[in-house]
Amino acid sequence: EPEVTQTPSHQVTQMGQEVILRCVPISNHLYFYWYRQILGQKVEFLVSFYNNEISEKSEIFDDQFSVERPDGSNFTLKIRSTKLEDSAMYFCASNQDRSSYEQYFGPGTRLTVT
Amino acid sequence: DAKTTQPPSMDCAEGRAANLPCNHSTISGNEYVYWYRQIHSQGPQYIIHGLKNNETNEMASLIITEDRKSSTLILPHATLRDTAVYYCIVRVSLDSSYKLIFGSGTRLLVRP
Repeated sequence: EPEVTQTPSHQVTQMGQEVILRCVPISNHLYFYWYRQILGQKVEFLVSFYNNEISEKSEIFDDQFSVERPDGSNFTLKIRSTKLEDSAMYFCASNQDRSSYEQYFGPGTRLTVT
Repeated sequence: DAKTTQPPSMDCAEGRAANLPCNHSTISGNEYVYWYRQIHSQGPQYIIHGLKNNETNEMASLIITEDRKSSTLILPHATLRDTAVYYCIVRVSLDSSYKLIFGSGTRLLVRP
């Protein structure tokens, strides 16, 4: 069964450093998302991306965050200058088209900012 | 965005039905109710969704009240592997896609 993959599984970085989290969505999917989950809290929507542009972003997704689809397969989340409070699990998700009922989630990247 | 309210934890015996309630009193007429689960810290896994009618698939059943203000997820014969956090979610349509608004979830413990 096709699946969303994410790398790395765990990233440790120092405060102020830039990080890039990578995702490979399912190959025929057109809609891409990032969610995050701070330890012990609920999953929060960050951003949706379609047709090479952001469709919607949450209040969390400020100027420190950016997303990109640099080629036909990867979807990346960049945090320019990490803060301690950015420590969380980051999940990538995708769905095939606007009406498809299931968003498929990847296994997540655990980001630890020290 | 519509909010969902769930009990923080529940338990049930293996082999019995698990009934997980959810309140979504502010849901709009075109917003779907979704259920996902998360085992440990893995990525959320889709279970089922519905708009107005009750739904059933190979994993679970979803019962939605007529006024759509609440719903119940039913796992008919819970197994130990069903121990997870279950999220009741409202799907909010965007201009070109949709986003999932997660609640706090119910931690379900299935006892041997």
